[in-house]
Amino acid sequence: KAGVTQTPRYLIKTRGQQVTLSCSPISGHRSVSWYQQTPGQGLQFLFEYFSETQRNKGNFPGRFSGRQFSNSRSEMNVSTLELGDSALYLCASSLRDVASGANVLTFGAGSRLTVL
Amino acid sequence: GQQLNQSPQSMFIQEGEDVSMNCTSSSIFNTWLWYKQDPGEGPVLLIALYKAGELTSNGRLTAQFGITRKDSFLNISASIPSDVGIYFCAGQNYGGSQGNLIFGKGTKLSVKP
Repeated sequence: KAGVTQTPRYLIKTRGQQVTLSCSPISGHRSVSWYQQTPGQGLQFLFEYFSETQRNKGNFPGRFSGRQFSNSRSEMNVSTLELGDSALYLCASSLRDVASGANVLTFGAGSRLTVL
Repeated sequence: GQQLNQSPQSMFIQEGEDVSMNCTSSSIFNTWLWYKQDPGEGPVLLIALYKAGELTSNGRLTAQFGITRKDSFLNISASIPSDVGIYFCAGQNYGGSQGNLIFGKGTKLSVKP
């Protein structure tokens, strides 16, 4: 069974640009969560999507957005990039909505974004 | 918001030694999880704990869910070079619209052969 696939794995952008990252969950998983990982802040929750609806959102500015498609694939977008947005962006999928109970999240390898 | 204090931040040990790391929180969690992250990869789940007081093993790894639901520890016995990596604890509460993981800052483990 294929794992969580994230593309692209690496990308470099400049300040002010925008970026879109993609996540394909494990087949049959309907929940996709996004996390930002930086050396200073560690792993921080961005948002979770289940059945194409955003179910939960972390404390990030509105420049960070996402969506989920009918096949459960998800994208996240960051507009007007800032230097501090440089990070590893991790996607995790699970079978059920994470709020519904104990639920194992499986992470992808991440997309490493560098903002110059 | 909820925060987890994970210690130690880093450990340098000799192959064959046992390792212990822990996480504490000021508030309770329904679930505690332990992940390991290798360079260039995402976190991989090692052990999930669902009940206060629960003690669970996975090979050389043993983890416990504290009785107060505010802490957890992970032990690795007889460490080997492939144990090198960053270990994260994570707490989870679910219900309502919540359910996201709250992560500790990680324990970086180095093993000298």
